[in-house]
Formats: sequence, C-alpha cells, structure tokens
Amino acid sequence: QKEVEQNSGPLSVPEGAIASLNCTYSDRGSQSFFWYRQYSGKSPELIMFIYSNGDKEDGRFTAQLNKASQYVSLLIRDSQPSDSATYLCAAPRSNYQLIWGAGTKLIIKP
Amino acid sequence: SQTIHQWPATLVQPVGSPLSLECTVEGTSNPNLYWYRQAAGRGLQLLFYSVGIGQISSEVPQNLSASRPQDRQFILSSKKLLLSDSGFYLCAWRLRGLDYGYTFGSGTRLTVV
Repeated sequence: QKEVEQNSGPLSVPEGAIASLNCTYSDRGSQSFFWYRQYSGKSPELIMFIYSNGDKEDGRFTAQLNKASQYVSLLIRDSQPSDSATYLCAAPRSNYQLIWGAGTKLIIKP
Repeated sequence: SQTIHQWPATLVQPVGSPLSLECTVEGTSNPNLYWYRQAAGRGLQLLFYSVGIGQISSEVPQNLSASRPQDRQFILSSKKLLLSDSGFYLCAWRLRGLDYGYTFGSGTRLTVV
C-alpha cells in the first residue's frame, strides 16, 4: 500500500522566517511529487512539482527531494501571513491517480 | 489555456433529495477527470475518476454515482442524499502521465440537512 504522510500541524512560524514542511512516502519507486496549497474554504492549487533529487526553486518556494531517505520537503522563505494555509503533498499512484497526504496546516504569525 | 468550471458553489439539500453536480473543462481534450470529497478538516477522498467518455471508475462504494456524457463534462449524482454526504466536492482534471498534477475546480460545498 503506497502511502504519503505529513504532520498535520499546525506549524506556527513567525513572519519573515523560513517555514519547512515535510512529507515522507513509502514507495521507493515514486519519481515525482507535487505540493499543493489550500486556503480555508478553497480548492487546492498546485504550487510546486519536483521530479529529480535535489532542490527546485520557484520564487520564495523551494522543494527538496531526497529519494534515498524517501522524503520531500517544501521551504517557504520570508514567510508572509498570506502563506497561512494547508499544504498537501502528493505522489502518483498510477498514470491516472495521485495519492495524497493529509496536509500540514501552516500558520504565519505577524 | 485550460479552465475548469464547477457549479453550484454552495448547495443545501434535505436528506433524501437528489443531487447533480456538474463540471466542465475547456482548452484540453481527453483529460482524466476526477471527483473528490473533502469532509471538514479532513483530507481528500477520491470518489470517481474517468479516463474517457462513459468510462467511470469508483473508488468508494456509496450512494453516489458519476457519469461522463461528453469528453469534457463530468457529473456527480445521487438519487437520495444522506447526512454523511455533506462535504466539499471537488472536480479536477489531469493530463495522462506521471508528471502531471491535478487542476481543481472551485468546489461545491454541500450541506445535507
């Protein structure tokens, strides 16, 4: 059974600091991962996709993939109150489906 | 560019009433289509997915059904709603392949009373 796990939080980070969100996965064959952001009452939106080992940067967001240790993380630099949301990690279960983590609630305190 | 439309945004329905939620995608052909449900404070639960017209796969046995009458149209239905059907219903589309994520519609918040 493939699984993706996240700490549900909440993770509280002061404004301007780096927020670090982690996700572990059970399937060593997983090649790609997605990070989604979901504001309260809204639908999830894709913010990052990472395929290869190492880091991928997009603005204030950096995704890190470590296949040997089977974890993927999302770093948010210079955290803003608008970053307060639930962050969902997902990996392909098949060509048709993603398997989802339960999400980590992030709170950025002004 | 691709867009996904989902309606209605909110719905309050009595127990035992029927349900029909509709989702359409524009700007792409032959997408994979999905219906998810998210209970309050919970994760995403896959209900149905479709890889083509008339092709529906069900993930969770329940009183809901789905149909795909056209390539870019996906419909979620129920003949008789239960209280437990309340939740946030999300339609999504995705291209085939491991490197593609989902794009979600804006969702329908259903309250069964």
